[in-house]
Amino acid sequence: AQSVTQPDIHITVSEGASLELRCNYSYGATPYLFWYVQSPGQGLQLLLKYFSGDTLVQGIKGFEAEFKRSQSSFNLRKPSVHWSDAAEYFCAVGALFNTDKLIFGTGTRLQVFP
Amino acid sequence: SQTIHQWPATLVQPVGSPLSLECTVEGTSNPNLYWYRQAAGRGLQLLFYSVGIGQISSEVPQNLSASRPQDRQFILSSKKLLLSDSGFYLCAWSVDGGSPLHFGNGTRLTVT
Repeated sequence: AQSVTQPDIHITVSEGASLELRCNYSYGATPYLFWYVQSPGQGLQLLLKYFSGDTLVQGIKGFEAEFKRSQSSFNLRKPSVHWSDAAEYFCAVGALFNTDKLIFGTGTRLQVFP
Repeated sequence: SQTIHQWPATLVQPVGSPLSLECTVEGTSNPNLYWYRQAAGRGLQLLFYSVGIGQISSEVPQNLSASRPQDRQFILSSKKLLLSDSGFYLCAWSVDGGSPLHFGNGTRLTVT
């Protein structure tokens, strides 16, 4: 079955610390992978996407993600977290050239302490 | 540039009352349109998507319906709300089926 797993429901880090949010997927076709961020009471904003090429992709707000096919993972990273990064982060997977039925993970809530 | 508008931002409705949530997109033509529902701890669930006027695909059986009366307008409706319809509803659009989704700011629906 197709699925996305974000094993960490809630993560707390100190401002300035590095961050890695985990995402594992199960998908029968070539995956098209996304990370979205959601601030409280807001919609989702696209951080980055991957469908081919360099397996390390850069996104907005200093985020990056690495696609590892052998591990079926697409982890999100940031070298130094800012307090404004506190939000909920969603990983999603869709079929290449068909994102009409994206599958979302259940999200990871990031809390940042000063 | 393209923008998506979704309203109202919050809504409190009694059980059994009707519902109408509206979403419009500006700055693009013939977008794919989507309605998602977000429940706490359960991620996003695709409810409906549309690839053109009058073309609606439903992903899950439910108490809700969707319509697309105009190219850039997508409406989520219910004739009689249930308590289980409470949640955060998100509208989204994409250029086509292979492009990333762009989300509205959502509607918080509370059914009492």
